[in-house]
Amino acid sequence: RKEVEQDPGPFNVPEGATVAFNCTYSNSASQSFFWYRQDCRKEPKLLMSVYSSGNEDGRFTAQLNRASQYISLLIRDSKLSDSATYLCVALWGGQNFVFGPGTRLSVLP
Amino acid sequence: NAGVTQTPKFRILKIGQSMTLQCAQDMNHNYMYWYRQDPGMGLKLIYYSVGAGITDKGEVPNGYNVSRSTTEDFPLRLELAAPSQTSVYFCASTGDGNTIYFGEGSWLTVV
Repeated sequence: RKEVEQDPGPFNVPEGATVAFNCTYSNSASQSFFWYRQDCRKEPKLLMSVYSSGNEDGRFTAQLNRASQYISLLIRDSKLSDSATYLCVALWGGQNFVFGPGTRLSVLP
Repeated sequence: NAGVTQTPKFRILKIGQSMTLQCAQDMNHNYMYWYRQDPGMGLKLIYYSVGAGITDKGEVPNGYNVSRSTTEDFPLRLELAAPSQTSVYFCASTGDGNTIYFGEGSWLTVV
């Protein structure tokens, strides 16, 4: 079983739509969780950290459910510029970052 | 604001050749990583280092070697390049464990 799993997509949504991505992780000892964004032919960049209480950054909301070992990312009012691949990341054992395969999002005009 | 710097950006190698991908960070981070990313796939950890003089294997170390003689530098060496090593290589570092910073990537083709 892969350590971090994501639906690869692609998710094709119209501008203005709300879209949600899910991610599951297998290591219950994982300490921290993140969402990274990767544009085509670019390096991944931190989008947001994920906290148990849930956190919001503008149009983006992240949730963590430790009991179900599940992480989500919600994007409201999608923009064309949101088109990218979204990587779910779990941190365990100090500095061991484990990346999911990514979910590809295309926002259509 | 250099962050993590990788060179070269693009390289074509012939089968059996060797080369070194350079990586340097100016953030005084202890932890450094090398990942590879095949087309349409996720990041796979090749090697990592928790500090100068200390390196360890990741998920896919075969065919690669690393060294960490200073905090700043973490070069990745490919010996006897093979077509299976055609990929994008990302160097990364972290200091606090909350954010991992990536270089811009090195596109390697082995023909």
